[in-house]
Amino acid sequence: EIVLTQSPGALSLSPGERATLSCRASQSVRNGYLAWYQQQPGRAPRLLIYDASSRAAGVPDRFSGSGSGTDFTLTISRLEPEDFAVYYCQQYSTSTGTIGQGTKVEIK
Amino acid sequence: QVQLVQSGAEVQKPGASVKVSCKASGYMFTNYLMHWVRQAPGQGLEWMAIIHPGGGSAAYAQKFQGRVTVTRDTSTTTVYMEVTGLRSDDTAVYYCARGQSGINWPSDALDIWGQGTVVTVS
Repeated sequence: EIVLTQSPGALSLSPGERATLSCRASQSVRNGYLAWYQQQPGRAPRLLIYDASSRAAGVPDRFSGSGSGTDFTLTISRLEPEDFAVYYCQQYSTSTGTIGQGTKVEIK
Repeated sequence: QVQLVQSGAEVQKPGASVKVSCKASGYMFTNYLMHWVRQAPGQGLEWMAIIHPGGGSAAYAQKFQGRVTVTRDTSTTTVYMEVTGLRSDDTAVYYCARGQSGINWPSDALDIWGQGTVVTVS
């Protein structure tokens, strides 16, 4: 099973700042099959990025994904108030897909 | 619009069973695989199962094998997930979610999510 480790666990930033979230896999993620989700309190997760760098429909271009192999990054170029949330990465390259433990982006 | 609408909250006693429904609309039901994911209070996301709405075949995470069953009704475009032998640690929000690619089995990015169903075991 591929273990995904997200860092940092929490990130305190101000609106307008840049956020950089990391997701490291214990083994190479084949085909870049990695997704990022945003979850607001009390809401279902929302797909932001799939296939490591493709934005899902309706996702603002301030969200970008990059990486390959074992190291992946989600970047939010300029934080908007609605971006303060928990973010999860997920790999779907193996029969047992796995999800990271999440990074909370909070208002400083 | 494309949406998944789940059944309402449930409270069940330990040892009982629960069946959660997920009605799909706005797209071709049989063209996309459907997943189930749960989230215990204050915890992360945990993938549980997948079903092919067309053929009905299903696969389960190892920890849920034998205790979780997913089915579908193509006439009502509804997917169901039943959990038997409920325990207190099954208390969670249960989500259905559509596989984004339409073909990746059994893992995929999940592009459309239901609103979640709270299941409390007490």
